[in-house]
Amino acid sequence: EAGVAQSPRYKIIEKRQSVAFWCNPISGHATLYWYQQILGQGPKLLIQFQNNGVVDDSQLPKDRFSAERLKGVDSTLKIQPAKLEDSAVYLCASTFTSGSSYEQYFGPGTRLTVT
Amino acid sequence: SQQGEEDPQALSIQEGENATMNCSYKTSINNLQWYRQNSGRGLVHLILIRSNEREKHSGRLRVTLDTSKKSSSLLITASRAADTASYFCATALSGNTPLVFGKGTRLSVIA
Repeated sequence: EAGVAQSPRYKIIEKRQSVAFWCNPISGHATLYWYQQILGQGPKLLIQFQNNGVVDDSQLPKDRFSAERLKGVDSTLKIQPAKLEDSAVYLCASTFTSGSSYEQYFGPGTRLTVT
Repeated sequence: SQQGEEDPQALSIQEGENATMNCSYKTSINNLQWYRQNSGRGLVHLILIRSNEREKHSGRLRVTLDTSKKSSSLLITASRAADTASYFCATALSGNTPLVFGKGTRLSVIA
């Protein structure tokens, strides 16, 4: 089966600019997550969707970050305006919401550099 | 704050040796998962162990879980240069909740 797709793979922007990331989860996976991974650390959850509804966005900096999953499939994550500390890898993951399979499948990530 | 903490932060071994990484966590969990991340790449799921399990094997991987000590270990036997990567443990409070990751262990396997 095809994996989780993300684009772009790399993005360099200046601070105060805006940027958007796209994620296409594995077909049939109802749950989608966005994680932020700062260099040298483990991934940290930004937001979790169940179909097109938000389940957990408690760690999303809502003054500058937004995310949507309008049709319950693809998702976009936006940062506006970007700050230097937003430099990180943004990882999208999905999981099949059923039974006892809790493995999360991760995309390759988007590496963001804010200068 | 991070739930899991891996130990050691970095590990360097010779090819053929075994590598052991440890993970400690703070709260009750539903399951614990180990992931591998090669430099600049996404995370690859290695193994999942549920809170009612004590040990699981997958190929050269062996994972143990001690819920009384809130700790887990990952053993990679007969390591290869291709095992060079960062290894993360991640915990889930229930089946479908977001994973909470530790900072990872950087493993270097020298040929």
